[in-house]
Amino acid sequence: SAVISQKPSRDICQRGTSLTIQCQVDSQVTMMFWYRQQPGQSLTLIATANQGSEATYESGFVIDKFPISRPNLTFSTLTVSNMSPEDSSIYLCSAKTEYGYTFGSGTRLTVV
Amino acid sequence: AQSVAQPEDQVNVAEGNPLTVKCTYSVSGNPYLFWYVQYPNRGLQFLLKYITGDNLVKGSYGFEAEFNKSQTSFHLKKPSALVSDSALYFCAVQAAGNKLTFGGGTRVLVKP
Repeated sequence: SAVISQKPSRDICQRGTSLTIQCQVDSQVTMMFWYRQQPGQSLTLIATANQGSEATYESGFVIDKFPISRPNLTFSTLTVSNMSPEDSSIYLCSAKTEYGYTFGSGTRLTVV
Repeated sequence: AQSVAQPEDQVNVAEGNPLTVKCTYSVSGNPYLFWYVQYPNRGLQFLLKYITGDNLVKGSYGFEAEFNKSQTSFHLKKPSALVSDSALYFCAVQAAGNKLTFGGGTRVLVKP
């Protein structure tokens, strides 16, 4: 199954700044996804990252706040823009493979 | 719309005893169901999936799950729990657009 390298693993950021999270997959995948998770809680889908087109966002998430890039079939980035303490969370990327879904190890973001 | 329910926030079990983590789902059409485990500060690890075929699915680390269409359930089981099985477990259903919808998660605590 595919392996995803996600970085950074954690960061502490000042409010009003932006952070870009990267995910690299070791094989080509058609679909990639970005999730948000409060520690110990369930995962909430932010958006589906589409290669060659704009991401598809879920209700409550907008492109201006969470711009996503998907330049090729192995890489995607999520930017958390103009951060506030409410954005403190764990962000995970995921890829759909022929075997199912694989996940990155997550980025723990703290906004101060 | 699809949904997944994990009715127990936490399950406590003694080491060596059987472990069951409950999951019920609601989805139109045939369900594709998954179980994942998450250890502290880690991403989600795939345990098993049901797509079609035999209702009893065997997965990683000695886990298995039984698909019950009439009860719309997909409970995760392990005959003999280990202390190292202590983690957060998620049930998920694949819906339209290949998106996963997750249950709320169940924390498993296996006591020595």
